[in-house]
Amino acid sequence: QVQLQESGPGLVKPSETLSLTCTVSGGPISGNYWSWIRQPPGKGLEWIGYIYYSGTTNYNPSLKSRVTISLDASKNRFSLKLRSVTAADTAVYYCARVVGARPSREFDFWGQGTLVAVSS
Amino acid sequence: DIQMTQSPSSLSASVGDRVTITCRASQSISSYLNWYQQKPGKAPNLLIYDTSSLQSGVPSRFSGSGSGTEFTLTVSSLQPEDFATYYCQQGYSTPWTFGQGSKVEIK
Repeated sequence: QVQLQESGPGLVKPSETLSLTCTVSGGPISGNYWSWIRQPPGKGLEWIGYIYYSGTTNYNPSLKSRVTISLDASKNRFSLKLRSVTAADTAVYYCARVVGARPSREFDFWGQGTLVAVSS
Repeated sequence: DIQMTQSPSSLSASVGDRVTITCRASQSISSYLNWYQQKPGKAPNLLIYDTSSLQSGVPSRFSGSGSGTEFTLTVSSLQPEDFATYYCQQGYSTPWTFGQGSKVEIK
């Protein structure tokens, strides 16, 4: 059974950089897309971006100027950096897997989520 | 970006009811439509992928249909554990986008 676990600070100051890591266990990194998704309190889901196992990235244009997703396949983990955060970036951040072989691009495994608050 | 619009945004139903939620895409997304269930404080859980394929372990009372721009999720007989928020998501093109959610509450 594939498992994903987010880790990182739960509080970030405005204008600083939000950094999270997702550790993957129970399945290979290869062949899959590894995504970050966020959900502001009481609101819906927003896809942030993905990194393919080959290293190719794709970001939501709404966040593209501030986002970097990287992959450390040797450690079975991938990371999110979101720069110049504001209160609007306060959300639960999820990491999730998309199986590369499926064209419908569904998120089949998710981490439990981690709440990141932006506040001074 | 492809916009996904769900209806209704909320509904009240009783145990045993048949419930249908609709998801409309702003352009054709072929069959690349997925459905999730989310309970408070939990991550979303994949129910249906590629319009009508049931994810492993999901009860058969959940089903999906549609094509192009209009899709539906049906729960044939609502159970107590089905009271939750449901989201659709298109995987046709990036940025992958979600509907705003449909909350199913107890009547």
